[in-house]
Amino acid sequence: DAGVTQSPTHLIKTRGQQVTLRCSPISGHKSVSWYQQVLGQGPQFIFQYYEKEERGRGNFPDRFSARQFPNYSSELNVNALLLGDSALYLCASSLDGAGTGELFFGEGSRLTVL
Amino acid sequence: GEDVEQSLFLSVREGDSSVINCTYTDSSSTYLYWYKQEPGAGLQLLTYIFSNMDMKQDQRLTVLLNKKDKHLSLRIADTQTGDSAIYFCAEVRYSTLTFGKGTMLLVSP
Repeated sequence: DAGVTQSPTHLIKTRGQQVTLRCSPISGHKSVSWYQQVLGQGPQFIFQYYEKEERGRGNFPDRFSARQFPNYSSELNVNALLLGDSALYLCASSLDGAGTGELFFGEGSRLTVL
Repeated sequence: GEDVEQSLFLSVREGDSSVINCTYTDSSSTYLYWYKQEPGAGLQLLTYIFSNMDMKQDQRLTVLLNKKDKHLSLRIADTQTGDSAIYFCAEVRYSTLTFGKGTMLLVSP
């Protein structure tokens, strides 16, 4: 079975642009979470979705938005990019949205903002 | 404090045991996790422990949990050069994971 898949793997944008990152969870998993990992730090929680509804939001500005589709895949959008948005964006999937049990991560999308 | 804390760096020789320590913050955390991250890669789930357990063993990995002190440790037996990576502990807080900054483990031959 495929694990969590994310696309694109790498991308370069300039300040002020917008970016969309995509994630497909493990088959059968209904919850998707997004994390931002800045170089040298641990991942920071951005969003959690379960059954297409937002279950949680981290301390990120409104420039960050996400959604989950009926097939449980998800998109993360970031508008008006800043240099500080450069990071590895990780998607994680789990069976449910309770934050218990196994949470599996994809390989991430590495965003560079110039 | 508010943060999950880990020592930043650990260096061991191949064949030795490695012990990576973590202090977490939320005494009501139900699960505590260990993830491994190799350079340029995502996070690999190594193991996790339920808060009503004191110890969990999985092949070369042993997790010890001290709830009173909110202390978690990961012991890797017979450490190999392929174990060189960054190791993150994480606690469940409000149904999401809160990570430490990671411990870089360097294994020398």
